[in-house]
Amino acid sequence: EADIYQTPRYLVIGTGKKITLECSQTMGHDKMYWYQQDPGMELHLIHYSYGVNSTEKGDLSSESTVSRIRTEHFPLTLESARPSHTSQYLCASSELLSSGFYGYTFGSGTRLTVV
Amino acid sequence: AQTVTQSQPEMSVQEAETVTLSCTYDTSENNYYLFWYKQPPSRQMILVIRQEAYKQQNATENRFSVNFQKAAKSFSLKISDSQLGDTAMYFCALLSIQGAQKLVFGQGTRLTINP
Repeated sequence: EADIYQTPRYLVIGTGKKITLECSQTMGHDKMYWYQQDPGMELHLIHYSYGVNSTEKGDLSSESTVSRIRTEHFPLTLESARPSHTSQYLCASSELLSSGFYGYTFGSGTRLTVV
Repeated sequence: AQTVTQSQPEMSVQEAETVTLSCTYDTSENNYYLFWYKQPPSRQMILVIRQEAYKQQNATENRFSVNFQKAAKSFSLKISDSQLGDTAMYFCALLSIQGAQKLVFGQGTRLTINP
C-alpha cells in the first residue's frame, strides 16, 4: 500500500481556474518528484525537490509551480488552467535503501481535465 | 542526456505464453539502476523488477526476469506463464545515482494477455 497520497484523484475544471494538486508522504523521504503523464502515456519529469525549501524544474517545461515548505508535503499549482494541461499528474518520492537500491514510491495520481 | 526507448507500443499474447518486452537506453554514467514498472488501468505505478548496473547477474522475481546487456545498453523483460492480471502498460526506466536520482521513462508498451 502506497505511503504517498495524492488528492484529488480526479478533477474537472474550467479554463482559467487556479488549482492545487496535493501530494503528501509519510515516509520522511527528502527527494520528491512530479511527473506528467500525457494521454499517450509517456511520463515526463516536470518538478523535483531535494528537500525542504528546494525546488527544481524537471526535463519537461511546465507552467505549473511547486513548493516544499515541509518534508512531507509537495503541492503543485497551476495559476490558470488551460486545456493543454489536461493530463495525469503522478507524485513520487525516493530514498536510498539499506540494500543499496533507490526505492521510488508513487502516488495514485491525479487525473486533471481542463474544459 | 539519458534516454530510454521502448520500440514496441503494443503487444498481445495468449494466457500462459511467454512474452518479452524490449528496452534500450543511453547514458554516459557507469553506475545506474534500471527498472520495469507496471501500470494497470488503476494508474498506480507498480515496481516489477530492478537491476543495478554493476551486477552482471540478471534479476529475477518469480515469473519476471530480465536480460541485461550492459555493453549493448539493452534491458528486456521476460514474463513467463503470463496471466490475465499481467495486462497493463509496462515502462522501462533508468535512474542515475548522481544528483537528484531522477527516473527517466521509456514510452511504454501496452501488453494485453488474452484468455
